[in-house]
Amino acid sequence: DTEVTQTPKHLVMGMTNKKSLKCEQHMGHRAMYWYKQKAKKPPELMFVYSYEKLSINESVPSRFSPECPNSSLLNLHLHALQPEDSALYLCASSRGQSNEQFFGPGTRLTVL
Amino acid sequence: GDSVTQMEGPVTLSEEAFLTINCTYTATGYPSLFWYVQYPGEGLQLLLKATKADDKGSNKGFEATYRKETTSFHLEKGSVQVSDSAVYFCALRFILTGGGNKLTFGTGTQLKVEL
Repeated sequence: DTEVTQTPKHLVMGMTNKKSLKCEQHMGHRAMYWYKQKAKKPPELMFVYSYEKLSINESVPSRFSPECPNSSLLNLHLHALQPEDSALYLCASSRGQSNEQFFGPGTRLTVL
Repeated sequence: GDSVTQMEGPVTLSEEAFLTINCTYTATGYPSLFWYVQYPGEGLQLLLKATKADDKGSNKGFEATYRKETTSFHLEKGSVQVSDSAVYFCALRFILTGGGNKLTFGTGTQLKVEL
């Protein structure tokens, strides 16, 4: 298995909803990442997990809550989002610090 | 801080034309450099990489050379195809002391190849 998978592919939610994004990889990678990408912009790093521990939080608002339950799985819990949070959310993983990141296909999130 | 500057797009070429997308960077230290490609509606795919000065990365006919003296990593392809139409991102990477690594992306250059 040589890919990063993300579910769901599309998500529409209201501002009062709670939802979660899921990312999975079975490549034995020990670092995992969440990015946010707005239209016609580059991805912006949100969180980095290394060996299931949060390594970096790029000053992301608390309405985004990451979780890494095991080395293969990364979740992003969403609560009380704003319309400006609508974006493509990308997950990535790397074998280690010195290795390239592999990206999933993303979840297209729309907040109404 | 670290940054990557890419040429503005969109770039429109005819099939079989020569492609150059310019990328320069500003960084303290010696980052690794990458080109990623994003096709419409998809995530990013690693296209090529170079980890030290004078390294040449190549893949699928694309090439880029890590030039420390000019802090550049320009992407080239001798003959583009319609299927190369996508957005191309130049990125530099530093290792994080807490684990993992951090990519800093350029703004992206949209390439459109026409018949």
